[in-house]
Amino acid sequence: DVKVTQSSRYLVKRTGEKVFLECVQDMDHENMFWYRQDPGLGLRLIYFSYDVKMKEKGDIPEGYSVSREKKERFSLILESASTNQTSMYLCASRTNRGVNYGYTFGSGTRLTVV
Amino acid sequence: AQSVTQPDIHITVSEGASLELRCNYSYGATPYLFWYVQSPGQGLQLLLKYFSGDTLVQGIKGFEAEFKRSQSSFNLRKPSVHWSDAAEYFCAVGGGGADGLTFGKGTHLIIQP
Repeated sequence: DVKVTQSSRYLVKRTGEKVFLECVQDMDHENMFWYRQDPGLGLRLIYFSYDVKMKEKGDIPEGYSVSREKKERFSLILESASTNQTSMYLCASRTNRGVNYGYTFGSGTRLTVV
Repeated sequence: AQSVTQPDIHITVSEGASLELRCNYSYGATPYLFWYVQSPGQGLQLLLKYFSGDTLVQGIKGFEAEFKRSQSSFNLRKPSVHWSDAAEYFCAVGGGGADGLTFGKGTHLIIQP
C-alpha cells in the first residue's frame, strides 16, 4: 500500500516563527498536494506539485510556500506563522497511472500557533 | 470553477437503518468523483471512486454510490449502518489534470443506538 507520512501529528509554534511541515510518500507518485482542514469549511487546497521543483498555487496560498526538491518529499512552509493558520494540515499524493489513479492522504498534522 | 455541495451538515441515523448522504457537484468536464471518510483525529480513507462506466459504484465497508449526470449528483448509500460508521464524510470532485480535488464541507454522521 502507498504510504504518505507526515512527520508530526501535533505541533505548537509561536506567532512569527517559520514553520516547516514535511510530507514523504513512498510509491513514486508524480503529484503531491497540501490541504488545510477547518471545521465547517472542509478541505481547501493550498499548493500542489506535479513534478520535482514544480509548484502551483491552490485556492488559499497566501501565507504559505512549498518546496519539492525530491520526488518523494513535499514540504509546506509557513514563512511567519499567525494564529489564523492554526488548523489541521493534510498532505496527499496521487498517481496518474490508469486504473490505480487516486489520492492517498497522510494522517495529518494539527498545528497550533500561539 | 468546480465546486461540491453537501447539503446536510449533520445526519442522525439509527443503527441498522439505511443511509443516504447527498452530494452535488459542478464541474466543466467529465468528473472524477470520490467519497472519503474521516474518523476523529484520523486522515482520510477512500470509500469509493467513480471515473467512468457503470454508474453504480461499490466501495469498502458496504457503501455504494450512484453517479447521475443529469442531476450532477453522486450520493452515497448504505443499506444498514453500524455504530462504527459514525464519522465525517466528504465528497470530492476532480479531473485527470495535475490539479487536486475540490471537497465539499462534509457531513457529520451520528449513529443512534
